[in-house]
Amino acid sequence: GAVVSQHPSRVICKSGTSVKIECRSLDFQATTMFWYRQFPKKSLMLMATSNEGSKATYEQGVEKDKFLINHASLTLSTLTVTSAHPEDSSFYICSASNRDRGEETQYFGPGTRLLVL
Amino acid sequence: SQKIEQNSEALNIQEGKTATLTCNYTNYSPAYLQWYRQDPGRGPVFLLLIRENEKEKRKERLKVTFDTTLKQSLFHITASQPADSATYLCAPGGSYIPTFGRGTSLIVHP
Repeated sequence: GAVVSQHPSRVICKSGTSVKIECRSLDFQATTMFWYRQFPKKSLMLMATSNEGSKATYEQGVEKDKFLINHASLTLSTLTVTSAHPEDSSFYICSASNRDRGEETQYFGPGTRLLVL
Repeated sequence: SQKIEQNSEALNIQEGKTATLTCNYTNYSPAYLQWYRQDPGRGPVFLLLIRENEKEKRKERLKVTFDTTLKQSLFHITASQPADSATYLCAPGGSYIPTFGRGTSLIVHP
Protein backbone atom coordinates (compact mmCIF):
# COMPACT_ATOMS: atom_id res chain seq x y z
CA GLY A 1 0.00 0.00 0.00
CA ALA A 2 0.92 3.65 -0.22
CA VAL A 3 3.39 4.87 2.38
CA VAL A 4 3.61 8.30 3.91
CA SER A 5 6.44 9.30 6.19
CA GLN A 6 6.69 12.15 8.65
CA HIS A 7 9.74 13.67 10.21
CA PRO A 8 10.49 14.19 13.01
CA SER A 9 8.35 11.78 14.96
CA ARG A 10 8.87 13.71 18.15
CA VAL A 11 10.20 17.17 18.87
CA ILE A 12 10.67 19.25 21.98
CA CYS A 13 11.38 22.93 21.56
CA LYS A 14 11.53 26.11 23.56
CA SER A 15 8.76 28.65 23.46
CA GLY A 16 9.31 31.21 20.70
CA THR A 17 11.20 28.92 18.34
CA SER A 18 9.94 27.57 15.03
CA VAL A 19 9.53 23.91 14.20
CA LYS A 20 9.31 22.35 10.76
CA ILE A 21 7.55 19.05 10.14
CA GLU A 22 8.00 17.19 6.86
CA CYS A 23 5.47 14.92 5.20
CA ARG A 24 6.51 12.72 2.29
CA SER A 25 4.61 10.30 0.08
CA LEU A 26 7.18 7.61 -0.61
CA ASP A 27 5.75 5.58 -3.45
CA PHE A 28 3.11 7.76 -5.06
CA GLN A 29 2.60 11.33 -6.13
CA ALA A 30 0.16 13.31 -4.08
CA THR A 31 -1.21 16.49 -5.56
CA THR A 32 -3.07 17.06 -2.31
CA MET A 33 -1.87 16.63 1.23
CA PHE A 34 -3.72 17.38 4.43
CA TRP A 35 -2.52 18.50 7.83
CA TYR A 36 -4.35 17.52 10.97
CA ARG A 37 -4.02 18.20 14.63
CA GLN A 38 -5.21 15.76 17.22
CA PHE A 39 -5.71 16.26 20.94
CA PRO A 40 -5.75 13.31 23.34
CA LYS A 41 -8.81 11.13 22.86
CA LYS A 42 -10.21 13.53 20.30
CA SER A 43 -10.89 13.21 16.60
CA LEU A 44 -8.66 14.47 13.86
CA MET A 45 -9.02 18.18 13.31
CA LEU A 46 -8.28 19.26 9.78
CA MET A 47 -6.02 22.30 9.79
CA ALA A 48 -5.33 22.88 6.13
CA THR A 49 -5.32 21.41 2.66
CA SER A 50 -2.04 21.63 0.83
CA ASN A 51 -1.94 21.59 -2.95
CA GLU A 52 1.27 21.22 -4.88
CA GLY A 53 2.42 24.48 -6.35
CA SER A 54 -0.26 26.66 -4.81
CA LYS A 55 -1.15 28.25 -1.51
CA ALA A 56 -2.64 26.09 1.18
CA THR A 57 -6.29 26.38 2.12
CA TYR A 58 -6.74 26.82 5.84
CA GLU A 59 -9.73 25.78 7.88
CA GLN A 60 -11.59 28.34 9.89
CA GLY A 61 -9.81 29.29 13.06
CA VAL A 62 -6.38 28.15 11.91
CA GLU A 63 -3.86 30.98 11.68
CA LYS A 64 -2.03 30.78 8.38
CA ASP A 65 0.83 32.97 9.64
CA LYS A 66 1.24 30.67 12.60
CA PHE A 67 1.16 27.42 10.68
CA LEU A 68 3.07 27.86 7.45
CA ILE A 69 2.50 25.19 4.84
CA ASN A 70 4.64 24.61 1.79
CA HIS A 71 3.89 21.96 -0.81
CA ALA A 72 6.97 22.23 -2.97
CA SER A 73 6.67 18.96 -4.87
CA LEU A 74 4.27 16.12 -5.51
CA THR A 75 5.87 14.11 -2.73
CA LEU A 76 6.67 16.69 -0.06
CA SER A 77 4.68 19.05 2.10
CA THR A 78 6.01 20.87 5.14
CA LEU A 79 4.28 22.43 8.12
CA THR A 80 6.18 25.06 10.08
CA VAL A 81 4.88 26.06 13.46
CA THR A 82 6.23 29.57 13.90
CA SER A 83 6.99 31.14 17.27
CA ALA A 84 5.69 28.07 19.01
CA HIS A 85 3.98 28.35 22.37
CA PRO A 86 3.00 25.69 24.90
CA GLU A 87 -0.58 25.69 23.60
CA ASP A 88 0.76 24.52 20.24
CA SER A 89 1.84 21.29 21.87
CA SER A 90 -0.10 18.55 20.15
CA PHE A 91 0.01 15.57 17.81
CA TYR A 92 0.29 16.67 14.19
CA ILE A 93 -0.55 14.22 11.42
CA CYS A 94 -0.34 14.60 7.68
CA SER A 95 -2.05 12.58 5.01
CA ALA A 96 -1.57 12.27 1.30
CA SER A 97 -4.43 11.71 -1.04
CA ASN A 98 -4.21 8.91 -3.58
CA ARG A 99 -6.93 8.69 -6.16
CA ASP A 100 -7.70 5.30 -7.65
CA ARG A 101 -10.70 4.58 -9.86
CA GLY A 102 -12.26 7.83 -8.77
CA GLU A 103 -11.95 7.08 -5.08
CA GLU A 104 -9.70 9.02 -2.82
CA THR A 105 -8.03 7.27 0.03
CA GLN A 106 -6.07 9.08 2.67
CA TYR A 107 -2.74 7.58 3.61
CA PHE A 108 -1.51 8.95 6.87
CA GLY A 109 1.92 9.63 8.19
CA PRO A 110 2.82 8.24 11.61
CA GLY A 111 2.39 11.65 13.23
CA THR A 112 4.66 14.13 14.99
CA ARG A 113 4.42 14.76 18.69
CA LEU A 114 5.29 18.39 19.43
CA LEU A 115 6.02 19.57 22.94
CA VAL A 116 6.69 23.24 23.48
CA LEU A 117 8.26 24.13 26.79
CA SER B 1 -24.31 20.66 8.29
CA GLN B 2 -22.69 17.33 7.62
CA LYS B 3 -22.32 15.18 10.66
CA ILE B 4 -20.70 11.84 11.43
CA GLU B 5 -21.56 9.96 14.57
CA GLN B 6 -19.68 7.08 16.09
CA ASN B 7 -20.19 5.64 19.54
CA SER B 8 -18.19 7.83 21.85
CA GLU B 9 -18.06 5.22 24.57
CA ALA B 10 -15.48 2.49 24.39
CA LEU B 11 -16.62 -0.95 23.29
CA ASN B 12 -15.37 -3.69 25.57
CA ILE B 13 -15.63 -7.28 24.38
CA GLN B 14 -14.16 -10.65 25.17
CA GLU B 15 -11.58 -12.25 22.93
CA GLY B 16 -13.14 -14.46 20.28
CA LYS B 17 -16.39 -12.50 20.11
CA THR B 18 -17.52 -10.35 17.21
CA ALA B 19 -17.11 -6.61 17.64
CA THR B 20 -19.60 -4.36 15.87
CA LEU B 21 -18.97 -0.64 15.50
CA THR B 22 -21.48 1.84 14.13
CA CYS B 23 -21.08 4.89 11.95
CA ASN B 24 -24.06 7.11 11.23
CA TYR B 25 -23.96 10.15 9.00
CA THR B 26 -26.38 12.95 8.25
CA ASN B 27 -26.62 15.52 5.49
CA TYR B 28 -24.33 13.39 3.36
CA SER B 29 -24.71 11.30 0.27
CA PRO B 30 -21.26 9.76 0.14
CA ALA B 31 -20.23 7.81 -2.90
CA TYR B 32 -18.19 5.56 -0.64
CA LEU B 33 -17.23 5.16 2.97
CA GLN B 34 -13.89 4.24 4.50
CA TRP B 35 -12.82 2.74 7.78
CA TYR B 36 -9.49 3.42 9.44
CA ARG B 37 -7.73 2.08 12.48
CA GLN B 38 -5.71 4.32 14.79
CA ASP B 39 -3.41 3.13 17.52
CA PRO B 40 -2.37 5.52 20.33
CA GLY B 41 0.30 7.94 19.22
CA ARG B 42 0.11 6.83 15.59
CA GLY B 43 -1.53 8.07 12.41
CA PRO B 44 -4.66 6.30 11.15
CA VAL B 45 -4.27 3.31 8.86
CA PHE B 46 -6.68 2.62 6.00
CA LEU B 47 -8.61 -0.65 6.36
CA LEU B 48 -11.54 -0.90 4.00
CA LEU B 49 -13.53 1.07 1.47
CA ILE B 50 -17.11 0.26 0.56
CA ARG B 51 -18.94 1.90 -2.31
CA GLU B 52 -22.55 3.07 -2.27
CA ASN B 53 -23.63 0.28 -4.61
CA GLU B 54 -22.05 -2.38 -2.38
CA LYS B 55 -24.01 -3.76 0.52
CA GLU B 56 -21.17 -5.61 2.12
CA LYS B 57 -17.39 -5.86 1.89
CA ARG B 58 -15.09 -8.38 3.53
CA LYS B 59 -11.39 -8.56 4.21
CA GLU B 60 -10.11 -11.42 6.32
CA ARG B 61 -11.84 -11.03 9.72
CA LEU B 62 -13.29 -7.64 8.81
CA LYS B 63 -16.71 -7.01 7.37
CA VAL B 64 -18.28 -3.67 6.51
CA THR B 65 -21.86 -2.95 5.53
CA PHE B 66 -23.21 0.21 3.99
CA ASP B 67 -26.89 1.09 4.16
CA THR B 68 -27.52 4.29 2.24
CA THR B 69 -31.17 4.29 3.27
CA LEU B 70 -30.36 4.23 6.97
CA LYS B 71 -27.26 6.35 6.35
CA GLN B 72 -25.27 3.92 8.35
CA SER B 73 -22.23 1.72 8.11
CA LEU B 74 -21.44 -1.17 10.41
CA PHE B 75 -17.92 -2.44 10.94
CA HIS B 76 -17.51 -5.99 12.23
CA ILE B 77 -14.44 -7.79 13.50
CA THR B 78 -15.02 -11.50 13.91
CA ALA B 79 -13.00 -13.72 16.22
CA SER B 80 -11.63 -10.59 17.86
CA GLN B 81 -8.18 -10.58 19.40
CA PRO B 82 -6.53 -8.30 21.95
CA ALA B 83 -4.37 -7.00 19.08
CA ASP B 84 -7.54 -5.58 17.53
CA SER B 85 -7.78 -3.09 20.40
CA ALA B 86 -7.57 0.36 18.85
CA THR B 87 -9.72 3.31 17.83
CA TYR B 88 -11.67 2.86 14.61
CA LEU B 89 -12.62 5.86 12.50
CA CYS B 90 -15.16 6.06 9.72
CA ALA B 91 -14.92 8.57 6.91
CA PRO B 92 -17.65 9.13 4.34
CA GLY B 93 -15.98 9.92 1.05
CA GLY B 94 -16.72 11.63 -2.19
CA SER B 95 -16.20 15.23 -1.20
CA TYR B 96 -12.94 17.10 -1.62
CA ILE B 97 -12.37 17.62 2.07
CA PRO B 98 -11.91 14.43 4.08
CA THR B 99 -14.07 14.23 7.17
CA PHE B 100 -13.70 11.75 9.98
CA GLY B 101 -15.86 10.62 12.81
CA ARG B 102 -14.35 10.94 16.26
CA GLY B 103 -13.83 7.20 16.35
CA THR B 104 -14.85 4.38 18.63
CA SER B 105 -12.36 2.79 20.96
CA LEU B 106 -12.43 -1.00 20.92
CA ILE B 107 -10.93 -2.96 23.80
CA VAL B 108 -10.67 -6.70 23.42
CA HIS B 109 -10.06 -8.49 26.68
CA PRO B 110 -8.12 -11.77 26.75
